[in-house]
Amino acid sequence: EVYLVESGGRLAQPGGSLTLSCAVSGFTFSNSFMSWVRQAPGKGLEWVATIWPDGSDKKYLESVRGRFTVSRDNADNSLYLQMNSLRADDTAVYFCTRLMGSVTTFHYWGQGTLVTVSS
Amino acid sequence: DIQLTQSPSFLSASVGDRVTITCRASQGISSYLAWYQQKPGKVPKLLIHTASTLQSGVPSRFSGRGSGTEFTLTISSLQPEDFATYYCQQRSTYPVTFGPGTKVDV
Repeated sequence: EVYLVESGGRLAQPGGSLTLSCAVSGFTFSNSFMSWVRQAPGKGLEWVATIWPDGSDKKYLESVRGRFTVSRDNADNSLYLQMNSLRADDTAVYFCTRLMGSVTTFHYWGQGTLVTVSS
Repeated sequence: DIQLTQSPSFLSASVGDRVTITCRASQGISSYLAWYQQKPGKVPKLLIHTASTLQSGVPSRFSGRGSGTEFTLTISSLQPEDFATYYCQQRSTYPVTFGPGTKVDV
């Protein structure tokens, strides 16, 4: 069975930094395209970033490009999202997702981790 | 960026009703559209991908149609467990975008 377990979400100050982690099991992580998707409280879904299986390419939402960095450790079956220069509008539940093959369809989702940016 | 709109934004329905949700894209996206269901406090669930392909394990009362700029998600006979919010999502080009959602309620 596929498991994706996010961690690292907490209250952070505006302008601060935070790193989210996603530990996965039940599938071959090193062959999998992975993404982060977020959902602000009471709002809809928003794609944040995608990383290729070998980390050779990454795509970002324009509003996070230059502030967020997606990375992975295939030896450790882990996905990361380094978040810098946090803003209030980054407040959301962040979901780790596994894509369907190489297409950006979000096949499996973690339970999410809440990031709150507030002073 | 490709914008997705959904109509209606809210739908009041009863068990047994046939329900149709429309998703429109601001430009052609071929069949690169997926539908997700999200219940309150739960994780989104993939229902349909590539406009009309039912994801494994999803009941056959769900169906998707469309291509280009107009797509529909139909629930042929609404069941109690189908009351949820439904989102469409395009993968034609980055940035990947979602529709604003349609809440199906009693």
